Amino acid sequence: GENVEQHPSTLSVQEGDSAVIKCTYSDSASNYFPWYKQELGKGPQLIIDIRSNVGEKKDQRIAVTLNKTAKHFSLHITETQPEDSAVYFCAATPWSGGYQKVTFGTGTKLQVIP
Amino acid sequence: DVKVTQSSRYLVKRTGEKVFLECVQDMDHENMFWYRQDPGLGLRLIYFSYDVKMKEKGDIPEGYSVSREKKERFSLILESASTNQTSMYLCASRPQQAPEKLFFGSGTQLSVL
Repeated sequence: GENVEQHPSTLSVQEGDSAVIKCTYSDSASNYFPWYKQELGKGPQLIIDIRSNVGEKKDQRIAVTLNKTAKHFSLHITETQPEDSAVYFCAATPWSGGYQKVTFGTGTKLQVIP
Repeated sequence: DVKVTQSSRYLVKRTGEKVFLECVQDMDHENMFWYRQDPGLGLRLIYFSYDVKMKEKGDIPEGYSVSREKKERFSLILESASTNQTSMYLCASRPQQAPEKLFFGSGTQLSVL
């Protein structure tokens, strides 16, 4: 089955700096890669996703890149703000219609220091 | 907005008790999931359900069962709670054909003493 590794497990950055979280996956059949943000006391929420036919996707201060050959994908947050502090999860799934299992990474706790 | 509601935010139970965790979604989603969240281990799938009365084992089903009698409700059952089942439990739902629409509840922090 799919195995998703995520690094680092914790990350502290100064407000205004950039943050990068990296994930690798093992199953070449995976073709959909979402990122979730979990704020304290809440469930994870989708913040950005990328499909295997795209190399990069951007949404304001966050971007995701995908390298299919190397089987890794990354989340980039620029100009970090205190409200970016949360736990971030990457995930991978071999989506082809119907149910396909979503495999999550182990999470990265991001702390943005004001 | 889609809402996935978990009945309890915090729950304390004793070893050996039968525990029910309830989850209700209001968007007519076909798929529903139960995950367990532990520090350093991420989100691990316990059980999922394609549709009403259907269920499939996830990665860590041992010690758990589920029930889906109605489309909107998915229950997780701990037949005989043990201390190693102390964890955060997250319910999620999703329409059948939309992987990007996975919505989570706020979680139930279960402590088994």
